[in-house]
Amino acid sequence: EAGVTQSPTHLIKTRGQQVTLRCSPISGHTSVYWYQQALGLGLQFLLWYDEGEERNRGNFPPRFSGRQFPNYSSELNVNALELEDSALYLCASSFPSAGQHNTEAFFGQGTRLTVV
Amino acid sequence: QKEVEQDPGPLSVPEGAIVSLNCTYSNSAFQYFMWYRQYSRKGPELLMYTYSSGNKEDGRFTAQVDKSSKYISLFIRDSQPSDSATYLCAMKGFVLEKLTFGTGTRLTIIP
Repeated sequence: EAGVTQSPTHLIKTRGQQVTLRCSPISGHTSVYWYQQALGLGLQFLLWYDEGEERNRGNFPPRFSGRQFPNYSSELNVNALELEDSALYLCASSFPSAGQHNTEAFFGQGTRLTVV
Repeated sequence: QKEVEQDPGPLSVPEGAIVSLNCTYSNSAFQYFMWYRQYSRKGPELLMYTYSSGNKEDGRFTAQVDKSSKYISLFIRDSQPSDSATYLCAMKGFVLEKLTFGTGTRLTIIP
């Protein structure tokens, strides 16, 4: 069974540009989480999607946005890139917690974004 | 105060030793507890998953959850150099579905 897949694996962008990162969850998972992991920092929660809706977002500016498609895949969009946006962007998926116990979250390998 | 506290280390132990990694948390709504291993420049890999209190064992790894103390642990027996990585605890609740992570403990196993 395929795990969480993210694309692209690496990306170099110029300050001010826009970027779109993609995530395909494990089959059957409806919840998708996005995290930013900057060098030397922990995982910072960005967004949580479930059943196509944004359920929660972290303390990031509005230029970070995303969406979840009917097939539960997800995109993360970052506009007006800044140098400090350089980080590993991680996507994870899980079953929703309500009524289930097998809700462990699995991560993809991440997209490493470098802003120059 | 952070919702989840984890000693960032670094922690260095000799090969074969028992390693104990810990997290404390403040939110009693957390019900699901996970431990991840993350190698440098890679995504986190799920090691252990526990629902509510109790122990869970998988090979050389044992996860413990004490909800009354809001304390979780990961034990690694017969530690190997390949266990050298950053270990992250994570947790979520029925309603608080957002995964909340500790800052991670950097572990080095010395051959």
